[in-house]
Amino acid sequence: GAVVSQHPSRVICKSGTSVKIECRSLDFQATTMFWYRQFPKQSLMLMATSNEGSKATYEQGVEKDKFLINHASLTLSTLTVTSAHPEDSSFYICSAREGAGYTFGSGTRLTVV
Amino acid sequence: AQSVTQPDIHITVSEGASLELRCNYSYGATPYLFWYVQSPGQGLQLLLKYFSGDTLVQGIKGFEAEFKRSQSSFNLRKPSVHWSDAAEYFCAVGMEYGNKLVFGAGTILRVKS
Repeated sequence: GAVVSQHPSRVICKSGTSVKIECRSLDFQATTMFWYRQFPKQSLMLMATSNEGSKATYEQGVEKDKFLINHASLTLSTLTVTSAHPEDSSFYICSAREGAGYTFGSGTRLTVV
Repeated sequence: AQSVTQPDIHITVSEGASLELRCNYSYGATPYLFWYVQSPGQGLQLLLKYFSGDTLVQGIKGFEAEFKRSQSSFNLRKPSVHWSDAAEYFCAVGMEYGNKLVFGAGTILRVKS
């Protein structure tokens, strides 16, 4: 079946630095990918939808200048958390659309210290 | 706007007992419905999905779900729970083919021996 690889699985960074998270579709082409954020013991909140070759669509309240999304190829989307702060610490999960289904990455635990 | 309600935050069942996790949605048309399972610190695994046709859907790991249009529900069931089923379960709804998903708050399942 469809596989989405997400890296890194865990990252610790210093406050003020930037962190890049990669999401790759391994055996299919993903024209659309979704980025979610999940706080502890909470549900997934959609941050943005990225479409290959075009600008991402951000959900209301998500800072596009802070959470940079790039979907430069049919198999790779990246989320860069810029000038990270402790409140950005969270679990980030990507999802790729394959047909009418959705395949999720294994998530990235970001801790900003 | 569409919404998904999972009324039970936590459910505890004995191993071998039956299980039903509730999910209700709010949407004018027939949505695309999904159930996912998440183990701690992991991504989401698809259990089953409903797009159209037979309203009783069979999934992996012995799970099934029934779409009831009159009740706007898509409850997940399993006749006999195993200890390995302990995890968090999310119901999700998509409005259109391949569009973004809206997730419920999740239900944490605990299995006691």
